[in-house]
Amino acid sequence: DVKVTQSSRYLVKRTGEKVFLECVQDMDHENMFWYRQDPGLGLRLIYFSYDVKMKEKGDIPEGYSVSREKKERFSLILESASTNQTSMYLCASNSGSYEQYFGPGTRLTVT
Amino acid sequence: GQNIDQPTEMTATEGAIVQINCTYQTSGFNGLFWYQQHAGEAPTFLSYNVLDGLEEKGRFSSFLSRSKGYSYLLLKELQMKDSASYLCAVRVYSSASKIIFGSGTRLSIRP
Repeated sequence: DVKVTQSSRYLVKRTGEKVFLECVQDMDHENMFWYRQDPGLGLRLIYFSYDVKMKEKGDIPEGYSVSREKKERFSLILESASTNQTSMYLCASNSGSYEQYFGPGTRLTVT
Repeated sequence: GQNIDQPTEMTATEGAIVQINCTYQTSGFNGLFWYQQHAGEAPTFLSYNVLDGLEEKGRFSSFLSRSKGYSYLLLKELQMKDSASYLCAVRVYSSASKIIFGSGTRLSIRP
């Protein structure tokens, strides 16, 4: 079974803090993705990576950065958290043209 | 730009059939996915279409018309457990392959 894990299910941070969200997959997938999900807006792609150290901006990259130093791990970084980054963050991975597998999500609250 | 449209909410009766439509306007189209997402959970894969036509998988079927930019998900013999959000997602290819989602259709099943 493919497994995608995320470091936290719930996270509360203060405005201005640096926040790290970690995602690990165990199926040797080359592609990894970070989305945020907000009511009425669906899943919006923040960044994705198609190989180690390779990254591409998604539709809403502003305020975020990513790191992929190892194939199995893809990190999302909020350099200076703001209240409008309060959201559910979902990580996903896939291989080639196949379906994505999602992690359980991290619900981030920025106060 | 990329645009994916689907109805926000639908209601259907247990045992009946429901069709959820999805229209898309994207460049570099390279396949369409349907995912199911129960409240508070991660999306799970239902179906994938890359060629025109109908793909059937048990109670669920998915149809694609690339020339019309149109897909639908057909759910038969509805069960209460089918109450969930259904997400239409399109893979687009430019420099790399990314997957973008519609805002989802929340389906409620009544007895």
